[in-house]
Amino acid sequence: DQQVKQNSPSLSVQEGRISILNCDYTNSMFDYFLWYKKYPAEGPTFLISISSIKDKNEDGRFTVFLNKSAKHLSLHIVPSQPGDSAVYFCAASGLSNFGNEKLTFGTGTRLTIIP
Amino acid sequence: GAGVSQSPSNKVTEKGKDVELRCDPISGHTALYWYRQSLGQGLEFLIYFQGNSAPDKSGLPSDRFSAERTGGSVSTLTIQRTQQEDSAVYLCASSLFLAGARLSYNEQFFGPGTRLTVL
Repeated sequence: DQQVKQNSPSLSVQEGRISILNCDYTNSMFDYFLWYKKYPAEGPTFLISISSIKDKNEDGRFTVFLNKSAKHLSLHIVPSQPGDSAVYFCAASGLSNFGNEKLTFGTGTRLTIIP
Repeated sequence: GAGVSQSPSNKVTEKGKDVELRCDPISGHTALYWYRQSLGQGLEFLIYFQGNSAPDKSGLPSDRFSAERTGGSVSTLTIQRTQQEDSAVYLCASSLFLAGARLSYNEQFFGPGTRLTVL
């Protein structure tokens, strides 16, 4: 039961254009969302996050949008640069009935920026 | 400054053997997590340590999996009687822990992972 879904395994975007990575979730208890970026042979690194009290968070070239009613979030990268080529993971968390929380990750989207 | 380190980077073993994977977290980080990523899957939570509290083992897939954290620092993930379905990349992460703050608000820093192949 995949509670966080990234339905596009891969995406190719021309350098300078906008990259849009999508993520859907099913668990209505999730209220905090994160994006991680992963280069080959390295661990994921945190990129940007958003709380469910917001619908947008921006950090430089990276913006995350959250649509709670659709249980959908997206990461926009503009303009895209060759160094953005990586695998991007969406993750979500929410307080469980047991009062603890853990991150639930999607399967990742491999972004390739074409020079 | 040193990040999270893991060893070995690659491990090939035969079905039925035991393996130990090691994680050295960032100094001062009291929270430590283990995840695994199987082929075509997302990162799957395994276990979480925080200070001297009892670990959250809710993600361990079977009793063949166990983990220890000695002295609040280094952690070892042990898989007994390995099976082919245990083949995955095992990732360790550490974070600060701010009392009263949501756990997920503390940025997790990941190591490079150990790629385990069970033949």
